[in-house]
This record gives sequence, structure tokens and C-alpha cells, in this order.
Amino acid sequence: DVKVTQSSRYLVKRTGEKVFLECVQDMDHENMFWYRQDPGLGLRLIYFSYDVKMKEKGDIPEGYSVSREKKERFSLILESASTNQTSMYLCASRKGQGPSNTEAFFGQGTRLTVV
Amino acid sequence: SQKIEQNSEALNIQEGKTATLTCNYTNYSPAYLQWYRQDPGRGPVFLLLIRENEKEKRKERLKVTFDTTLKQSLFHITASQPADSATYLCALDSYNTDKLIFGTGTRLQVFP
Repeated sequence: DVKVTQSSRYLVKRTGEKVFLECVQDMDHENMFWYRQDPGLGLRLIYFSYDVKMKEKGDIPEGYSVSREKKERFSLILESASTNQTSMYLCASRKGQGPSNTEAFFGQGTRLTVV
Repeated sequence: SQKIEQNSEALNIQEGKTATLTCNYTNYSPAYLQWYRQDPGRGPVFLLLIRENEKEKRKERLKVTFDTTLKQSLFHITASQPADSATYLCALDSYNTDKLIFGTGTRLQVFP
């Protein structure tokens, strides 16, 4: 079974802190994604990566950066956390590059609260 | 701008009936459309995928249709059960990008 593991289930950080959210997948998938989910807004794509060291902006990249130094790990970085970044963060991975007929596998999510 | 719309209002139906959920999109040329189920506090789980040249796909009690002229997909659950209660999301893969973009999701509640 494919496993996507996010480093924390719940996280509380202070405004202005630098925050790292880690995601690891164990199936050698090329594509990895970071989404945030807010009530009424659904899943919104922050960043995605189709290969090591390759990244592309999603629909809401402002205030975030990412890192993919190894194929299995995709990190989301909040450079200076703000209260409007309080949200559920979901990491996903899937096989292949480009438009793909493969499913995405999600982690369990990290509920981040910025106070 | 690109948009994927699902009914934001919850769908409440009685056990045994067929649930039908809608996914509409604009300014997209999707290659594939996927449906996911999400339970509270958990990540989405894949259910079905349909290609742009397929009209219909079935899996057990699930059926998905894809009409690229209407820019719409319908997701049906027949003989619905309370255990089907969850949020259902559609997602689009486009030829123009590597992104996988999701709709807002529709919450389904099946009553006994």
C-alpha cells in the first residue's frame, strides 16, 4: 500500500515563526502536491513538484515556499507564519508526470493553527 | 479564469435512494476527471477516474459520467447507505498543465 506521511497531525505556531511541514511518500512517485483546505473553499493547490528540485506554483503560493531535495520528501515552508495561514494542510503524491491517469494518494493532513 | 464548481449545499437523501452529485468546470480542457471521497479529519481517498473520451464509468454502486460538451461530470451512488455519508470531491487533470485541481466538494448525508 502507498503511504503518504505528514510529520505532524496538529501544530500550533506563533505569528512570525518559520514553519516547516514535512511530507514523505514511500512509492517512488514523481508528482507531489501541497494543498490547503478551508471550509467553503475546498482544496486549493499551493505548490507542486514533478521531480527532484523541480517545483511549480499552484493557485495560492503567496507566503509559502517548498523544497524537494529527495524524491520521497516534499516540504512546505511558511517563511513568516500569519494567522490567515491557519488551515488544514494536505500533502499528496502520485505516479507519473504531466496529465496522468493515475490517482493521487493523500496524507492524513496537518491542522496548523497560527496564534 | 479556470473554475471547478460543485454544489456547496449538502445533499440529504434517504437510504436506498440514488445520490447524484454534480461537477461543472469552465476554462478547462481536461484530459481526465477524478472523484474522491473525504471523511471528516482525513485526507481524500480516490474512487474513480474517467477519461475525456469516455462517457461513463462504473465501479460497484458508483457511476460517473463525463460530458465535455456540457463541461460537466455527474457522480451517482446507487442504493445509498449511511456509510456513504462523506464529502465528495471532483478533480481535473488538464493537457495544459501538470496541476491536479480540485472542486470545493459536496457533502452527502444518507439518512436511515
